[in-house]
Amino acid sequence: ILNVEQSPQSLHVQEGDSTNFTCSFPSSNFYALHWYRWETAKSPEALFVMTLNGDEKKKGRISATLNTKEGYSYLYIKGSQPEDSATYLCAFNTGNQFYFGTGTSLTVIP
Amino acid sequence: ETGVTQTPRHLVMGMTNKKSLKCEQHLGHNAMYWYKQSAKKPLELMFVYSLEERVENNSVPSRFSPECPNSSHLFLHLHTLQPEDSALYLCASSQGEIETTRTGNTGELFFGEGSRLTVL
Repeated sequence: ILNVEQSPQSLHVQEGDSTNFTCSFPSSNFYALHWYRWETAKSPEALFVMTLNGDEKKKGRISATLNTKEGYSYLYIKGSQPEDSATYLCAFNTGNQFYFGTGTSLTVIP
Repeated sequence: ETGVTQTPRHLVMGMTNKKSLKCEQHLGHNAMYWYKQSAKKPLELMFVYSLEERVENNSVPSRFSPECPNSSHLFLHLHTLQPEDSALYLCASSQGEIETTRTGNTGELFFGEGSRLTVL
């Protein structure tokens, strides 16, 4: 079993604040690193899939970076909004196997 | 609407019951997964089917029995479960690794909304 760690476990920020979280993963057997957003009572939805060291991806106010050599990825949210409240999961993909972290639960206070 | 549908959404069963969870995907994917989400734990992979063949079984107790009759449907048959099996069971689909390499697909998982299981 591969260890994928996410920090912090939970986060409360004020609307308009920018924030970031970390995902740490093994640096061997790397195929891809996924970020998912999971809102309460809904299904997890993919935000980003990153495969190359140094990758940076952006979707609106959310962006992510990847360092495969040291085994970490950062997710950034600029100007947080209440609708950003969700659990953010990262998953380390070795091919057909996905290893998930426990997630970072984000609450954006209006 | 992710294209992956799970039924039932909620299930309460006794330890001696037999029930099944159903998952259906309309995305043309060739891999399907069962994950278990317990409180404060990461999503735990239970089973993977690729091209309707089971490729992964992560030491799951035999009281959980998967079935994949075709590439669009996946079942999880439940029998003599324990209270500690109470959890959210998520189904997901993706394009498998071979297809990912050939078509450049990113292989992301598409999840259903889950079946919340309570074992009394």
